[in-house]
Amino acid sequence: AQKITQTQPGMFVQEKEAVTLDCTYDTSDPSYGLFWYKQPSSGEMIFLIYQGSYDQQNATEGRYSLNFQKARKSANLVISASQLGDSAMYFCAMRAYSSASKIIFGSGTRLSIRP
Amino acid sequence: KAGVTQTPRYLIKTRGQQVTLSCSPISGHRSVSWYQQTPGQGLQFLFEYFSETQRNKGNFPGRFSGRQFSNSRSEMNVSTLELGDSALYLCASSFMTGSNQPQHFGDGTRLSIL
Repeated sequence: AQKITQTQPGMFVQEKEAVTLDCTYDTSDPSYGLFWYKQPSSGEMIFLIYQGSYDQQNATEGRYSLNFQKARKSANLVISASQLGDSAMYFCAMRAYSSASKIIFGSGTRLSIRP
Repeated sequence: KAGVTQTPRYLIKTRGQQVTLSCSPISGHRSVSWYQQTPGQGLQFLFEYFSETQRNKGNFPGRFSGRQFSNSRSEMNVSTLELGDSALYLCASSFMTGSNQPQHFGDGTRLSIL
């Protein structure tokens, strides 16, 4: 069975600090994609970053980077220089090739940035 | 480029009624997926459509159905509404279906059942 685990229900971080949001996953499929989404209180889901299982390098998108450790089955999101607007729910998600239609999501981490 | 558009944004219904939600994907995107989000269950996959065909379905009762039109727009229908159907329903589109395809979400339809 495929599973995504986010063990941090909530985090508080000081503005301008870096923050790491944890995500571990489980799948027997060798081909899969990992995604991070941000959901502000308004409700929309915003795609942040993607990492493919065969990618050799960690993905980066501006202030977001994904620390991909395949052997440990972890895909942590790193946000550098956090901003007040980063306060939101963050979801880790996975889409395996064998179930290409279906993305599964973790339970999310609520990140709050302190000024 | 316009994003994923969901209508309506808010909806209030009573038990036993039915409801139809609409989703217009990003132009050029052919895959549309639907999700239900509740505080207790989190984000749960409902179904995905690609080229007017349902590709996969989550573990929801038959009261939940959907379809996709030739222009890739999709509708989701829920019949005989129950209190537990109160949720945020999110639609997401991607260019293709596949494990390397990020899905782009709409703002959602918040459905409340009285």
